[in-house]
Amino acid sequence: DAKTTQPNSMESNEEEPVHLPCNHSTISGTDYIHWYRQLPSQGPEYVIHGLTSNVNNRMASLAIAEDRKSSTLILHRATLRDAAVYYCILKVPAGANNLFFGTGTRLTVIP
Amino acid sequence: KAGVTQTPRYLIKTRGQQVTLSCSPISGHRSVSWYQQTPGQGLQFLFEYFSETQRNKGNFPGRFSGRQFSNSRSEMNVSTLELGDSALYLCASSLGPSGATYEQYFGPGTRLTVT
Repeated sequence: DAKTTQPNSMESNEEEPVHLPCNHSTISGTDYIHWYRQLPSQGPEYVIHGLTSNVNNRMASLAIAEDRKSSTLILHRATLRDAAVYYCILKVPAGANNLFFGTGTRLTVIP
Repeated sequence: KAGVTQTPRYLIKTRGQQVTLSCSPISGHRSVSWYQQTPGQGLQFLFEYFSETQRNKGNFPGRFSGRQFSNSRSEMNVSTLELGDSALYLCASSLGPSGATYEQYFGPGTRLTVT
């Protein structure tokens, strides 16, 4: 699986938007971009995924650059519950289900 | 729908012993993957099972093994435990074997401590 690069940590004020970046310059044309997060003392949780177009769901939005070499996870209004480690992962289509987690970005939400 | 359940939640074992961890996937999910999480190595993939067959295996020694039953429930076994096996073991289930579009749902994990 292609590698991703994320900042180690970020901070955000509560109720403000958060933009979490991810670089994946070696992404292939068919790799999907997945985001998971892990809250303290819990297993990882699926957030969102996309291929080329921007995606929205109830949790977040995913903005994918036109060249697909980077993407941004957007939390529209950060809450204290969003404090977690966020992982950006590339998945090969029709590949095995295993996810290769990097070090992720630790998001701190300040009340 | 019930989520992924793992038993036991906590376990303390002695070096040299063996341990079996259990995972029940979400109803209807046929793929189960196992991960090990440690502070030093982060989250690492162990193996994946689909329809009782191991589809993929991570870079772990042969002391780590698993299996999946016809009802999709899975077990993983670690033999001859070492201190370094102390970790949080996570199980994840998914509808199918194709990873690109199916999201994985993780259980709360089993915290294994080896003394």
